[in-house]
Amino acid sequence: DAGITQSPRYKITETGRQVTLMCHQTWSHSYMFWYRQDLGHGLRLIYYSAAADITDKGEVPDGYVVSRSKTENFPLTLESATRSQTSVYFCATADGRYSNQPQHFGDGTRLSIL
Amino acid sequence: AQKITQTQPGMFVQEKEAVTLDCTYDTSDPSYGLFWYKQPSSGEMIFLIYQGSYDQQNATEGRYSLNFQKARKSANLVISASQLGDSAMYFCAMREGPPRGGSYIPTFGRGTSLIVHP
Repeated sequence: DAGITQSPRYKITETGRQVTLMCHQTWSHSYMFWYRQDLGHGLRLIYYSAAADITDKGEVPDGYVVSRSKTENFPLTLESATRSQTSVYFCATADGRYSNQPQHFGDGTRLSIL
Repeated sequence: AQKITQTQPGMFVQEKEAVTLDCTYDTSDPSYGLFWYKQPSSGEMIFLIYQGSYDQQNATEGRYSLNFQKARKSANLVISASQLGDSAMYFCAMREGPPRGGSYIPTFGRGTSLIVHP
């Protein structure tokens, strides 16, 4: 029972390259989120999705693209990676029917852009 | 403006003592929820406790309790009888809107690093 799976766990790439981070859930939660975590900034929301085919920008969306064609998958793409996008990325889900339920987080992807 | 403020970047506590981690929030919505998460050095995010704005009593979960002062807009996490395993980053988060049917877009504070000394 993996719940939420992020892949890869670690990724090193070069500036200008395209990179996609994957997120898969088995709970059928309606909401999915992408956060980046940087020292001193806590968790900052990049994009979120309230349901399949519905996505919206968060606090720091520039340079990122998301899609959600299926409820269970929510990939995050950096179309042309920059060094400032070096970070730890977390995917999270939430059951949107009951807002007192917490978010569930993946284990994170540590992305380094050289 | 910050919706969630955690003013203590770092906190130290002696093992077996209690510690309070501060969280203040800003919202004009009468309906909201507050969450605390723990992130140990291994990186995973662990849900600790939830408080709804209409909840009459302060939330408690084992050694964790939430000191909810609505008028002051504060939701401080109290950890009783600290253990070495409590050393971690702690994040406060808020979701605005009704408990059912509203949107679910939490905002996080920047976190507090807690170190428990033996």
